[in-house]
Amino acid sequence: DIQMTQSPSSLSASVGDRVTITCRAGQTISRFLNWYQQKPGKAPKLLIYAASSLQSGAPSRFSGSGSGTDFTLTISSVQPEDFATYYCQQSYSTPQTFGQGTKVEIK
Amino acid sequence: QVQLQESGAGLVKPSETLSLTCTVSGGSTSSYYWTWIRQPPGKGLEWIGNIHYSGNTNYNPSLKSRVTISLDTSKNQFSLNLTSVTAADTALYYCARAGNSWYAIGVWGQGTMVTVSS
Repeated sequence: DIQMTQSPSSLSASVGDRVTITCRAGQTISRFLNWYQQKPGKAPKLLIYAASSLQSGAPSRFSGSGSGTDFTLTISSVQPEDFATYYCQQSYSTPQTFGQGTKVEIK
Repeated sequence: QVQLQESGAGLVKPSETLSLTCTVSGGSTSSYYWTWIRQPPGKGLEWIGNIHYSGNTNYNPSLKSRVTISLDTSKNQFSLNLTSVTAADTALYYCARAGNSWYAIGVWGQGTMVTVSS
């Protein structure tokens, strides 16, 4: 299995801050890296696929970058509705695996 | 707009079989990868497996001996069977749809909680 490691596990941010979450794969996964947002009691929602492609309907303040083993998710100016848990996922090989999640909280 | 809805027993006894069905509305199952994912209470996401519309299946090796995913295109449904369940299988189970190129999961059901308890 390909291990996915996110950092940090949690962070506190103020509205308007720039937030960056990193995800590292245990082996190269090309650009088969996806980012999801999950709010309490809700299903995850796809934000970014193929490392840097914005999913239709996702706000443009979300962006992704990286390839190989190191990836980042950036929120350019965090909004109140962005406080949630974020997961990266590799879809390069089965079993597909997720990072442990990063909880973004209000400072 | 495609929507997914899980259904099935919310309480399963240890050693018995967990069975869930996902009904697809607003779209066809004759494409894409139809996927099951679970999330234990307060924990992260675990990919269980998927089935392609061609019938090809992929399973998580950690569950492979116990899991079966099937697809009924005539009913626009796909199903999950997990045998010999234990308390460790207690989780929120999601059905979902993954794309054909990058395999990202773009559509999710709302999830259904399954508790394993006697």
